Amino acid sequence: EVQLVESGGGLVQPGGSLRLSCAASGFTVSNYWMHWVRQAPGKGLVWVARFSSDRYTITYADSVKGRFTISRDDAKNTLYLQMNSLKDEDTAMYYCAGGLSVAGAAWGQGTLVTVSS
Amino acid sequence: DFQMTQSPSSLSASVGDRVTITCRTSHDIRNDLGWFQQRPGKAPKRLIYAASSLQSGVPSRFSGSGSGTEFTLTISSLQPEDSAIYYCLQYNNFPHTFGQGTELEIK
Repeated sequence: EVQLVESGGGLVQPGGSLRLSCAASGFTVSNYWMHWVRQAPGKGLVWVARFSSDRYTITYADSVKGRFTISRDDAKNTLYLQMNSLKDEDTAMYYCAGGLSVAGAAWGQGTLVTVSS
Repeated sequence: DFQMTQSPSSLSASVGDRVTITCRTSHDIRNDLGWFQQRPGKAPKRLIYAASSLQSGVPSRFSGSGSGTEFTLTISSLQPEDSAIYYCLQYNNFPHTFGQGTELEIK
């Protein structure tokens, strides 16, 4: 069974940092373009970042560029999102997803990040 | 700037009705578009990829069509469990862009 399980969310003060993890099973993250997508409470889906399968292309939304870093550990079959200088507007459910353009897509259940003082 | 417009923002229909949701883009994205369903409190679920390919396990009443700048999601015979918010996603260029969402209510 294909599973992506996110973890690492929680409550953090503005300016703080968090690292999100996305552990995969039944799905090899290095074979796919992997993404982070977020959804603020009561709002729509917003794409955040992408890590290409060949490791050579990393792309971010303008809203997180310079603050967030996406990475991948092939040995652990895990995707990460390091989030620094967090702002109130980063409060959201964060989902990881892979293979969005191909048949074998996977999508996690999400981890909630709350930025508040 | 790239623009994507999803319509309608909400609709109400009865069981058995045929429903269509549209996404239009400002630039040609070939067939690089997917459709997602999100039920309340749940993660999004992909229904369609490459504009018209049905995700494995998704009921055949869901279908997608279009290419270039205009795309549609059709539910041929609405069921009670189809009450959800539906999103399109373009992955042709960056940033990838989701539509604004269509909230589908079953009367």
